[in-house]
Amino acid sequence: GQSLEQPSEVTAVEGAIVQINCTYQTSGFYGLSWYQQHDGGAPTFLSYNALDGLEETGRFSSFLSRSDSYGYLLLQELQMKDSASYFCAVRGSSGSARQLTFGSGTQLTVLP
Amino acid sequence: DGGITQSPKYLFRKEGQNVTLSCEQNLNHDAMYWYRQDPGQGLRLIYYSQIVNDFQKGDIAEGYSVSREKKESFPLTVTSAQKNPTAFYLCASSIPVHSPSFLPNYGYTFGSGTRLTVV
Repeated sequence: GQSLEQPSEVTAVEGAIVQINCTYQTSGFYGLSWYQQHDGGAPTFLSYNALDGLEETGRFSSFLSRSDSYGYLLLQELQMKDSASYFCAVRGSSGSARQLTFGSGTQLTVLP
Repeated sequence: DGGITQSPKYLFRKEGQNVTLSCEQNLNHDAMYWYRQDPGQGLRLIYYSQIVNDFQKGDIAEGYSVSREKKESFPLTVTSAQKNPTAFYLCASSIPVHSPSFLPNYGYTFGSGTRLTVV
């Protein structure tokens, strides 16, 4: 099966940098994705890592270490609108595991 | 604009009733998915469909049923057999993994969800 672990809550102040970690277990691996969900809304795709290293997209960066089954999402220059839940997700190699499996989410609160 | 439309936004069900949640997309995606989200938990896969007239059970299919008669539509029925149906239901679509044009960095596009409450 597949499982992912991420912290349930993170709090930071506006303008700061925050890192949300994700560790995973999966049979086969086709990359680690990150999604953002504002309260009661639709999750939106943020980033994807298939290879080790850092991918940068504006204020958001995502990192992957396949040997450690670990990744993180880095949010810089935090803004109030970044307050949301962030989910990591993995895709396995067969059956229903080929579909995305999501972590339980990290609730980020940005304080003024 | 292309997207996914879920309706209704809020739905109330009496115990013992079946209810159907609508999901329509105009993104020309072959693959569609239903997820359930409970407070403090992630998204759990109920059913998925990679192509018209075919669908597969996900991790928590018991008490649910689906159909995929059209590419654009993937309705979910919550049956009376689902003992704890109160949750937020999300529909998504994507290019399917078996497609020649599939790339792993393609994300899912989600609808805005239906919040189902048993009364």
